[in-house]
Amino acid sequence: SQTIHQWPATLVQPVGSPLSLECTVEGTSNPNLYWYRQAAGRGLQLLFYSVGIGQISSEVPQNLSASRPQDRQFILSSKKLLLSDSGFYLCAWSIGAGDQETQYFGPGTRLLVL
Amino acid sequence: AQSVTQPDIHITVSEGASLELRCNYSYGATPYLFWYVQSPGQGLQLLLKYFSGDTLVQGIKGFEAEFKRSQSSFNLRKPSVHWSDAAEYFCAVGAGGFKTIFGAGTRLFVKA
Repeated sequence: SQTIHQWPATLVQPVGSPLSLECTVEGTSNPNLYWYRQAAGRGLQLLFYSVGIGQISSEVPQNLSASRPQDRQFILSSKKLLLSDSGFYLCAWSIGAGDQETQYFGPGTRLLVL
Repeated sequence: AQSVTQPDIHITVSEGASLELRCNYSYGATPYLFWYVQSPGQGLQLLLKYFSGDTLVQGIKGFEAEFKRSQSSFNLRKPSVHWSDAAEYFCAVGAGGFKTIFGAGTRLFVKA
């Protein structure tokens, strides 16, 4: 069966520091991978998605970036964190394309920028 | 433009009572619809999905949802709520192009 991991689970970082969040998927090949941010009490905002190694699509301009160095690894990064980057970051995977694709989520990383 | 509306920000029900969470969507084609649940501090778990066929869909944990095209709705129901159902519930529509549009969520509180 497929599993998705995210780490760290919780992170507290000072403003201006770098960021690296990692997501890995097991039990499947060539997944589509996604990064979402969920601000407190709000819905999900799609940040990036990837359909293959090295292929990244950005949905929202910001100081975050994403990379996919391996088929089942998706990394979210920042060179300098802002206070507004605080939130709950969720990684998700899916197979296939089109309206019917079902996304499956990881446990999330809570980021607090101080 | 595609959108998903969950009219209720939060709902409180008594344990053992029935539950209905509302979801309305706006989508030009045949919608593919999902309900997810999120416990505090956790990721989203898929409850059920509707792609085609029977408009009443059964999911996990005793939940079901009914697709009503005429009302552009996909409401989630459970006949008897348990305290462990307290969580946030998200309705979503598959919009194609590797995009799923999520509603803002409805937080469910369960009182003893």
